[in-house]
Amino acid sequence: DGGITQSPKYLFRKEGQNVTLSCEQNLNHDAMYWYRQDPGQGLRLIYYSQIVNDFQKGDIAEGYSVSREKKESFPLTVTSAQKNPTAFYLCASSPHRGGDSYNEQFFGPGTRLTVL
Amino acid sequence: AQTVTQSQPEMSVQEAETVTLSCTYDTSESDYYLFWYKQPPSRQMILVIRQEAYKQQNATENRFSVNFQKAAKSFSLKISDSQLGDAAMYFCAYRGLYNFNKFYFGSGTKLNVKP
Repeated sequence: DGGITQSPKYLFRKEGQNVTLSCEQNLNHDAMYWYRQDPGQGLRLIYYSQIVNDFQKGDIAEGYSVSREKKESFPLTVTSAQKNPTAFYLCASSPHRGGDSYNEQFFGPGTRLTVL
Repeated sequence: AQTVTQSQPEMSVQEAETVTLSCTYDTSESDYYLFWYKQPPSRQMILVIRQEAYKQQNATENRFSVNFQKAAKSFSLKISDSQLGDAAMYFCAYRGLYNFNKFYFGSGTKLNVKP
């Protein structure tokens, strides 16, 4: 089955530690995204990547880093510089067929990160 | 930058009744796409319905339909014959035609369905 997987589902981190969230897709989508979701709020864009070896900062990139070495994978590292990392993190992907098609986003099941 | 506003943080509907969720957006673009996503308690985001701005006909998917008013920049979601499984957070989203890799999401509306 095609889809997006995120691991782990729950992640606990001590203050001062870096942690990496995994996101893999087998949909052959070119674009991938990371969002942060806090209680009662919508999705805020952290980073996105349109092609391999290229990515752009979103609205709240500070304290986060990403890589895109393979089309299928877009891992997110939450660094110790992120002041309030406890949140729900969603990974998404979309095809890159050009502007005149829906290119809707498909989402993974998310990772809940808690800083202890 | 584009903004998407959902002014109803929470709504309730009786099972089998109809409910309408509101969404407005701000853009200077003439061509774009609009979406409604559902996030149930499992937190898996699911696409409910989508609309192309250049299509005047409102999109419909089974019990879900939209009322797209381009001039008013309004994109409401109507759920008919509400079911218990419709209880979820609903997010309105915008994507431009040209900057098509960036999506803008509203803050969401929590829908409660009463038996």
